[in-house]
Amino acid sequence: EAQVTQNPRYLITVTGKKLTVTCSQNMNHEYMSWYRQDPGLGLRQIYYSMNVEVTDKGDVPEGYKVSRKEKRNFPLILESPSPNQTSLYFCASSPRVGQPQHFGDGTRLSIL
Amino acid sequence: GENVEQHPSTLSVQEGDSAVIKCTYSDSASNYFPWYKQELGKRPQLIIDIRSNVGEKKDQRIAVTLNKTAKHFSLHITETQPEDSAVYFCAASIQGTYKYIFGTGTRLKVLA
Repeated sequence: EAQVTQNPRYLITVTGKKLTVTCSQNMNHEYMSWYRQDPGLGLRQIYYSMNVEVTDKGDVPEGYKVSRKEKRNFPLILESPSPNQTSLYFCASSPRVGQPQHFGDGTRLSIL
Repeated sequence: GENVEQHPSTLSVQEGDSAVIKCTYSDSASNYFPWYKQELGKRPQLIIDIRSNVGEKKDQRIAVTLNKTAKHFSLHITETQPEDSAVYFCAASIQGTYKYIFGTGTRLKVLA
């Protein structure tokens, strides 16, 4: 089954404790992206990747890092999480930019 | 910077009536415009998309129109049903940047 898998689905943690949210797709998609969703603000793009080893900043990259060492994986790293990063996070992939994105089920992060 | 404005933020219609959601984008280089539906607690899912070389696209009860001169595009849902109740997001992909900008969402309620 074609899918985008995120882990964990839920996480409650404390300020400053490094965390990684994993994202994996099994569709051989070149384009992958991370979004955060906050009430009233819609989906805002954090980082995206056009292909292996090629990443770039979206609209809200501060406090986040990503890597794309393999085509299928695109982890989101919070080196020193802060409460303002409490949000619902979605990973998405598409064959290329400008084609329909498939979203994962989301990861709800709470930073205390 | 790039921006996508979406209106209205909430919309209530009677079952069987039509619903229209409008989005305006700022960057004339935008060339791909998807619409996503997000049910409560679920991932966003693509319902229809349109490219800048097309003025209108239809899929059963759903249609999207694009006016490049005015830089706006609209989602039209006819013969609405209770299962159409959800949050709808428009987005624009900007040619040459690989970025996506999303609107802030419209909560559609279809009243039975």
